[in-house]
Amino acid sequence: AQKVTQAQTEISVVEKEDVTLDCVYETRDTTYYLFWYKQPPSGELVFLIRRNSFDEQNEISGRYSWNFQKSTSSFNFTITASQVVDSAVYFCALSDHTGRRALTFGSGTRLQVQP
Amino acid sequence: ETGVTQTPRHLVMGMTNKKSLKCEQHLGHNAMYWYKQSAKKPLELMFVYSLEERVENNSVPSRFSPECPNSSHLFLHLHTLQPEDSALYLCASSQASSAGYNEQFFGPGTRLTVL
Repeated sequence: AQKVTQAQTEISVVEKEDVTLDCVYETRDTTYYLFWYKQPPSGELVFLIRRNSFDEQNEISGRYSWNFQKSTSSFNFTITASQVVDSAVYFCALSDHTGRRALTFGSGTRLQVQP
Repeated sequence: ETGVTQTPRHLVMGMTNKKSLKCEQHLGHNAMYWYKQSAKKPLELMFVYSLEERVENNSVPSRFSPECPNSSHLFLHLHTLQPEDSALYLCASSQASSAGYNEQFFGPGTRLTVL
């Protein structure tokens, strides 16, 4: 069975601080996909990134960066110089390659960025 | 502007009512999903439709009845719900292919309250 664990329930930082959101996953599949989504107070889940299991290169997009480490089954997300607008719940998710096309989500990490 | 719309955004209903949630995607995708998000649980997959056929029913009670008349529209018919069914219901769509699983795009959700 697949499982995604986001151990940090809530994180509070002050604006301009860097913050890392942890994600650990479990799967028996050799081919799988990892995702991060952002859910602002409005409720809509916003897609941030997809990473497949064969691509372990880290990725940077503006203030966002992702660290995928297959050896530790982790896919962590770092926000550099956080801003108030980054306040949201962030979800890590996993999908497999067996035909079940849905996502397994972690429980989410609520990030509060204080001005 | 999101490519996935949901109506209504908010719904209050009694346990004996019958109502329907509507989802429409304008992205040309071939797969659509219903998820339930409640305060006490992570995002839970309810149903998956691929090419208008239901490919997954994740042990959802029969008081929830999905309908997918075409690849752009998805409904969730509700009848004789329970107060514990109060939650945010999210619709998503994606372009599934043999090459892999693309990211899902979510609508803003319907906040359902069952009295």
